Amino acid sequence: EAHLVESGGGLVQPGGSLRLSCAASGLTFNNNYMNWVRQAPGKGLEWVATMEKDGSEQYYLDSVRGRFIISRDNAENLLYLQMSSLRAEDTAVYYCARGIPYCIGSTCRLAMDVWGQGTTVIVSS
Amino acid sequence: DIQMTQSPSSLSASVGDRVTITCRASQTIDKYLNWYQWKPGKAPKLLIYGASSLQSGVPPRCSGSGSGTDFTLTISSLQPEDLATYYCQQTYSFPYTFGGGTKVEIK
Repeated sequence: EAHLVESGGGLVQPGGSLRLSCAASGLTFNNNYMNWVRQAPGKGLEWVATMEKDGSEQYYLDSVRGRFIISRDNAENLLYLQMSSLRAEDTAVYYCARGIPYCIGSTCRLAMDVWGQGTTVIVSS
Repeated sequence: DIQMTQSPSSLSASVGDRVTITCRASQTIDKYLNWYQWKPGKAPKLLIYGASSLQSGVPPRCSGSGSGTDFTLTISSLQPEDLATYYCQQTYSFPYTFGGGTKVEIK
């Protein structure tokens, strides 16, 4: 059974940095798109970033582009989110999620079928 | 960016009721629409992908329909374990966007 476990969250001051990790098991990690999604307190889900299977392409939410970097270590089955210049509005539970492609005709897009339990990031002085 | 608008934002229904949640995209997204269930303290769960395909293991009382800009999630007979918040998500184009959520309560 596929399993994802996030770690690395914590309390950080505005302007600080943090690196989140997501350990994958029970799946062929290097054959999967991976994503980060967050949920601020009392708010809904917000997509943050997606990385292609081989790490060749990354996609970001505009508000985090240039501050966050998604990366992966396919040899170790690990996904990362390096966060810098953190702001209060980055406070959230951060989930990693597997992206599974589905195709309609010849065009394929992703759904997120396996999620971790999340790790909490609090940006506050 | 594609905006996703869900309605209602919350609803209360009785066990056995039919529940319908709607999701509207600000531009056409074909059928690249997913539905998720979220319970506090738990990971989100994929229910429906491609607007109408039931994810493995999801009870058949859940169904999805729609294409283009208008979509619905239907729970045919509400059960106590369906108490949750439901989100639609478009993956037609980046940035992926979620609807604001629909909180389902049991009367």
